[in-house]
Amino acid sequence: AQSVAQPEDQVNVAEGNPLTVKCTYSVSGNPYLFWYVQYPNRGLQFLLKYITGDNLVKGSYGFEAEFNKSQTSFHLKKPSALVSDSALYFCAVRDFTGGFKTIFGAGTRLFVKA
Amino acid sequence: SQTIHQWPATLVQPVGSPLSLECTVEGTSNPNLYWYRQAAGRGLQLLFYSVGIGQISSEVPQNLSASRPQDRQFILSSKKLLLSDSGFYLCAWSLARPEPNEQFFGPGTRLTVL
Repeated sequence: AQSVAQPEDQVNVAEGNPLTVKCTYSVSGNPYLFWYVQYPNRGLQFLLKYITGDNLVKGSYGFEAEFNKSQTSFHLKKPSALVSDSALYFCAVRDFTGGFKTIFGAGTRLFVKA
Repeated sequence: SQTIHQWPATLVQPVGSPLSLECTVEGTSNPNLYWYRQAAGRGLQLLFYSVGIGQISSEVPQNLSASRPQDRQFILSSKKLLLSDSGFYLCAWSLARPEPNEQFFGPGTRLTVL
């Protein structure tokens, strides 16, 4: 079965420092991976996706993610964190085993301190 | 451009009362549509998805139901609400082709069952 794991409930970084939010996946077949962000009391917003090609994927708001097949990881990164990046981040994998489903991780809460 | 609407934004209902949440999408045709529930500001639980008018797939057996009476309209219903139905309900859409596609989420409905 397809699955994603976000090993950290919370990540704390200082403004201006680089940030990483971790995600590992388990799939049968090609991995199609996504990152979403959720601000308080809002719906999720799409950040970026990996389908094929370059292992470094660039997305919205200066975020990027690195696909690592050998480590089955898809970590979200940003070179310099902003206070406004504080939010809930979800990693997700497309599930083709039955229907049109996307499997979401449990989410990682990012706090950026000024 | 495409937009997705959900209403109401908040709802407080007594146990045993009926429920109807509505979601509409503008600016696209034949989208895939999804209903999710998010409890305690964390992970998303897929409730229903639809690939076309009248086509509904249920992911979780419970007292909720969904309908798609029009191409861009998705409705979540219940005949009798339970306390456990409280949560944040999110509607989302994605392009049907080509797969895999990111999902675009509505602003959500916060439901409190008392």
